[in-house]
Amino acid sequence: NAGVTQTPKFQVLKTGQSMTLQCAQDMNHEYMSWYRQDPGMGLRLIHYSVGAGITDQGEVPNGYNVSRSTTEDFPLRLLSAAPSQTSVYFCASSGTGRDGYTFGSGTRLTVV
Amino acid sequence: AQTVTQSQPEMSVQEAETVTLSCTYDTSENNYYLFWYKQPPSRQMILVIRQEAYKQQNATENRFSVNFQKAAKSFSLKISDSQLGDTAMYFCAFMKLVIGTDKLIFGTGTRLQVFP
Repeated sequence: NAGVTQTPKFQVLKTGQSMTLQCAQDMNHEYMSWYRQDPGMGLRLIHYSVGAGITDQGEVPNGYNVSRSTTEDFPLRLLSAAPSQTSVYFCASSGTGRDGYTFGSGTRLTVV
Repeated sequence: AQTVTQSQPEMSVQEAETVTLSCTYDTSENNYYLFWYKQPPSRQMILVIRQEAYKQQNATENRFSVNFQKAAKSFSLKISDSQLGDTAMYFCAFMKLVIGTDKLIFGTGTRLQVFP
């Protein structure tokens, strides 16, 4: 039972490059979210999805795109990386939200 | 908009003692859920305990319990018989009960150090 799988675990990007952070879950969860974690700021919601084909913005969506073509996958795209996007990114999923979210192990992204 | 405040950036406790982590939140909603998550040095986020706002009884999970004061909008976490493995960041989180918008809003966290 893999749970929520994030790849890669570490990534270094140059300013202006684009990349996709992958997230997959095998629990048939409808709800999926992306968070970024920065020192002293807790976890902030970037985008979330309540089912395949449905996405919405969170608190800090600028510079990121998402899509949800299947229940299992919820990739996060950085369009043109900036140093301000240096952070740890977490993907999470939940069957109903109110049962609590299961988190992936995170991706540490550094933009230089 | 909902906000979650954790006013203790760092706490420490001796092994086997009891410690309480504070959390307050601001909302105009009446139905919602509250959570405590633990993040050990491994970085993994682990759900510790959850509380449904419409339930008066405080949630308990083994050595972890909460003191939920709805009128005061307070949701503290008590860890009894602290263990070295409890050393971690602890995050309080809020979720309002609206179908289709089950988003978690986190506080800034409390770093807990358990000393032998």
